[in-house]
Amino acid sequence: DAEITQSPRHKITETGRQVTLACHQTWNHNNMFWYRQDLGHGLRLIHYSYGVQDTNKGEVSDGYSVSRSNTEDLPLTLESAASSQTSVYFCASSGGRGELFFGEGSRLTVL
Amino acid sequence: DQQVKQNSPSLSVQEGRISILNCDYTNSMFDYFLWYKKYPAEGPTFLISISSIKDKNEDGRFTVFLNKSAKHLSLHIVPSQPGDSAVYFCAARDSSNDYKLSFGAGTTVTVRA
Repeated sequence: DAEITQSPRHKITETGRQVTLACHQTWNHNNMFWYRQDLGHGLRLIHYSYGVQDTNKGEVSDGYSVSRSNTEDLPLTLESAASSQTSVYFCASSGGRGELFFGEGSRLTVL
Repeated sequence: DQQVKQNSPSLSVQEGRISILNCDYTNSMFDYFLWYKKYPAEGPTFLISISSIKDKNEDGRFTVFLNKSAKHLSLHIVPSQPGDSAVYFCAARDSSNDYKLSFGAGTTVTVRA
């Protein structure tokens, strides 16, 4: 069965460290997204990609970057982790312009 | 500024009764609306959607109603079951803005036995 997987599921890091969260999907979807979930804010879009070599900023992109070198993967990098980036991160993909398929999430704690 | 608002953070309902979740939006360019369900430690899963050209969509126990003039949509779950206890997110798509989805803050539903 096609799926979308995230790793690591849990990560603790220190302020200033670089962190990369991996996202891999086997749906062969062109569209991939990264969201963060925080209490009271729901899901907020960080970055998204509509195909290989395409990346776009979402509403909360500061401090984050992504790259899309193939269809299956969209890694999310925190260049210099900050305590404000403690959150649960969700990767998602879609084949069209509507329904998203989400991964199980990566919980990141920045101390 | 949040364009999709779920003003009720939580809802408690007795098993067998109706659950009604509400969602308001401000962007008149939204043309497609979705509801997602999320269990703890899992990712959100798609539940039901509605196009802006319709006012109702039904799928089993779940019905979504859209009132475009009021910029309001609601999700009805009838009858509510214990397995419906979860967080429900309302989402809206803006076709004029790269088809991005905007999500509400979520409503936690607890179904009491």
